Amino acid sequence: GESVGLHLPTLSVQEGDNSIINCAYSNSASDYFIWYKQESGKGPQFIIDIRSNMDKRQGQRVTVLLNKTVKHLSLQIAATQPGDSAVYFCAESGNNRLAFGKGNQVVVIP
Amino acid sequence: DAGVIQSPRHEVTEMGQEVTLRCKPISGHDYLFWYRQTMMRGLELLIYFNNNVPIDDSGMPEDRFSAKMPNASFSTLKIQPSEPRDSAVYFCASNPGLRGETQYFGPGTRLLVL
Repeated sequence: GESVGLHLPTLSVQEGDNSIINCAYSNSASDYFIWYKQESGKGPQFIIDIRSNMDKRQGQRVTVLLNKTVKHLSLQIAATQPGDSAVYFCAESGNNRLAFGKGNQVVVIP
Repeated sequence: DAGVIQSPRHEVTEMGQEVTLRCKPISGHDYLFWYRQTMMRGLELLIYFNNNVPIDDSGMPEDRFSAKMPNASFSTLKIQPSEPRDSAVYFCASNPGLRGETQYFGPGTRLLVL
């Protein structure tokens, strides 16, 4: 069936290793950022968010880093598990509008 | 909460037929969004509603697409007539009250137009 990730940048990670997914955003006025995870056949699911007055935020096994100087956002996943295999999207919110990136596919190798 | 509910989950139809996709947002959410996802274009916003009123439909591809929200718990996206290039996954999402904040997505409707 159709796969969202066929033409996306792909990160292959060994199970247990840490993953880092990067995202460049374009709108310097964006003040809120979200990471979504989309598993095959499902809708995007919220993972973690961060506001522009912060540069780091941690969740369970995930950390989001924000560098406003270079307009860069990253998602770090600690101890990657097979269930982390998915497409990950960043989204930026500025001027009261949410814009999604193209996505990055993460493949976890057991 | 059941989350955003979409139906049908899969739809196969022939070119020229009318297609209706349905969405029930999370109760209490004031914003409802319709997206289309393809490999080539990624996730595209088609239209969104605030308190049942369409606010921005600039993402709707053409007049063959229409969307309605007759009440706070139901919305439809209709394609008439459908074309093969409309084949995609269509997502509905809702949001509690701020346009630019986190959106909660449904499972999507996978549409194939032959």
